[in-house]
Amino acid sequence: EPEVTQTPSHQVTQMGQEVILRCVPISNHLYFYWYRQILGQKVEFLVSFYNNEISEKSEIFDDQFSVERPDGSNFTLKIRSTKLEDSAMYFCASSEGGTYNEQFFGPGTRLTVL
Amino acid sequence: DQQVKQNSPSLSVQEGRISILNCDYTNSMFDYFLWYKKYPAEGPTFLISISSIKDKNEDGRFTVFLNKSAKHLSLHIVPSQPGDSAVYFCAASTSGNTGKLIFGQGTTLQVKP
Repeated sequence: EPEVTQTPSHQVTQMGQEVILRCVPISNHLYFYWYRQILGQKVEFLVSFYNNEISEKSEIFDDQFSVERPDGSNFTLKIRSTKLEDSAMYFCASSEGGTYNEQFFGPGTRLTVL
Repeated sequence: DQQVKQNSPSLSVQEGRISILNCDYTNSMFDYFLWYKKYPAEGPTFLISISSIKDKNEDGRFTVFLNKSAKHLSLHIVPSQPGDSAVYFCAASTSGNTGKLIFGQGTTLQVKP
């Protein structure tokens, strides 16, 4: 069964450093998403990506964040200068369509900012 | 901004009995609702969904009920099994947008053998 994969599973970084979280969505899916879950809190939408551009982003997704689909299979989330409050689980998801389509989530990357 | 609320942080049920998980929403523009299950150290796994034109959707042991006038949905699991023990998230989205999901806080279900 096809699945969304994410690497690394755990990333530890120093405050102010850049991190890149990687995802391989399901191959025939067209919509891609990043969500995050701070420990003890709800899963929050960050950004959606379709047709090689951002289609929607949340207030959390400020200028420190960027996404890219560099090669037709990978989907990356970059945080340019990490803050302590960026520590969270980051989930990538993909779906065949937008609304009315279930999103399939990856296992997540745990980001720890020290 | 709690557009989707799951007011019960936890629920404990005996194996074989029914589990009922509840979810309320405030945004009347939501027209597609989903339930996800999440185990520790894993991503959310899709369980079942319902669009606003329906009031019930069933898939095996899982049934989702939607009451639009009350802005309320529920997930019924019958019969409950120990393997169902997980965190259950309700999520909602609006047509015409990109499929962005708004999640509730989650309910931890424990099914006791």
